[in-house]
Amino acid sequence: GQQLNQSPQSMFIQEGEDVSMNCTSSSIFNTWLWYKQDPGEGPVLLIALYKAGELTSNGRLTAQFGITRKDSFLNISASIPSDVGIYFCAGPKEKLTFGTGTRLTIIP
Amino acid sequence: GAVVSQHPSWVICKSGTSVKIECRSLDFQATTMFWYRQFPKQSLMLMATSNEGSKATYEQGVEKDKFLINHASLTLSTLTVTSAHPEDSSFYICSALDRGSGSAYNEQFFGPGTRLTVL
Repeated sequence: GQQLNQSPQSMFIQEGEDVSMNCTSSSIFNTWLWYKQDPGEGPVLLIALYKAGELTSNGRLTAQFGITRKDSFLNISASIPSDVGIYFCAGPKEKLTFGTGTRLTIIP
Repeated sequence: GAVVSQHPSWVICKSGTSVKIECRSLDFQATTMFWYRQFPKQSLMLMATSNEGSKATYEQGVEKDKFLINHASLTLSTLTVTSAHPEDSSFYICSALDRGSGSAYNEQFFGPGTRLTVL
């Protein structure tokens, strides 16, 4: 089946730093989604991307849909404590496939 | 809008007992709901697709006789873990498909999850 690999697996940063993570797929997607999961909660949609090359922002978050349609990137600027959590990319086809996740930790 | 609830939020049970988890779409009708399982430090894995008024569709490797799914109304799907064992301990998350969400794809809204611990 299709796999979505995310890197890095985990990140330890200081508050105020910018964050970059990416997601790569073995197959093409026509839509890319980015979710955040807080501890003990379900995932919440952050950004949806619909077109190759598209760059979309949601506050301090910016995501890009790769030209090859096999990858996507998520950037978080000026991180704050509430950014802590696990970030998942996801690709919807007939079902929703989640990436392996990137765990973000902010060091005090 | 588009709120999905789950009940209970956590449950601890003895090995061999059955546990029922409810998933409700609170402000929209969902003909399709999904059940996911998430083990610690892992991603969400789809277990089954629940369709209102018909049988659920299970993913490969998921035992349909062990994980019973009932989608009896447009706002409620239930997952029953039968004869639970410690290896069934996990975080179970449902989602509901809102075909009228206005997004360019069929958007799934996720519940807050149910943590099951089997002793």
